[in-house]
Amino acid sequence: GNSVTQMEGPVTLSEEAFLTINCTYTATGYPSLFWYVQYPGEGLQLLLKATKADDKGSNKGFEATYRKETTSFHLEKGSVQVSDSAVYFCALSERLTGGGNKLTFGTGTQLKVEL
Amino acid sequence: DTGVSQDPRHKITKRGQNVTFRCDPISEHNRLYWYRQTLGQGPEFLTYFQNEAQLEKSRLLSDRFSAERPKGSFSTLEIQRTEQGDSAMYLCASSLSAASYNEQFFGPGTRLTVL
Repeated sequence: GNSVTQMEGPVTLSEEAFLTINCTYTATGYPSLFWYVQYPGEGLQLLLKATKADDKGSNKGFEATYRKETTSFHLEKGSVQVSDSAVYFCALSERLTGGGNKLTFGTGTQLKVEL
Repeated sequence: DTGVSQDPRHKITKRGQNVTFRCDPISEHNRLYWYRQTLGQGPEFLTYFQNEAQLEKSRLLSDRFSAERPKGSFSTLEIQRTEQGDSAMYLCASSLSAASYNEQFFGPGTRLTVL
C-alpha cells in the first residue's frame, strides 16, 4: 500500500535559520502530495500541495518540489520564525470510490524555533 | 467561524462504555472524512461519506465502530464497548467535490481517553 516516510523530530532551529524536512513516499501511480501544519491547539491546515511531477508548491515562504525520480517532497524554508513552531505532516492522496480522496500521512515532524 | 467543528473536544470514558462523537462540516461541503490519530503518529483514514452515502471504510474500522451521516450534513462516529486501544484523537474533515482538487478542511478533533 501507499506510505509516507518523513524525518523524525523534534527539530530545533534558531530564528532565521534554513529549514529542511525530508519526506519520501511509496505509491502506485502518481499521487498528489501535500504538506499540512498543525499549530498547538489547532486543527490540521493545508500548507502547500503539488499535483504532478516537477510541480513546486509554495506558501508563506515554504516550498516543496514533487520529485518523481527520487519519490520525494522535501519541505524547505529559507528563514524560519518563532511563529513557524508547529508539527508538519507530509501526505499523499489516492482516489476513492465516488471521487473523494484518502490522505495517507507521515508521522509528523515537530519544529521548534527559538530566538 | 464557518470551519469544521467537532463535539466534544475531549472525552474520558471507562473501558466497555459506548461513546459518540459529532462532526459538523463546512456547510456546503458534500464530502466528509473521519481519521484517527494516535500519539506520535500521523492521522489514519477511517471512513468517508459523499452526501449521506458511506462509500469507503478502512480495515481499521472494526465492527465496534459505526459512522452515519443521515441527512448529508453532520456526521456521528460511535464506538461501542470501548477498549484502551481506542484512545486517540478522532479527526473529521470535509471537502467540496466541485472544488479544483478536493482540499480537505480539518476540524480540531475529539480526544478520547479510555481508562
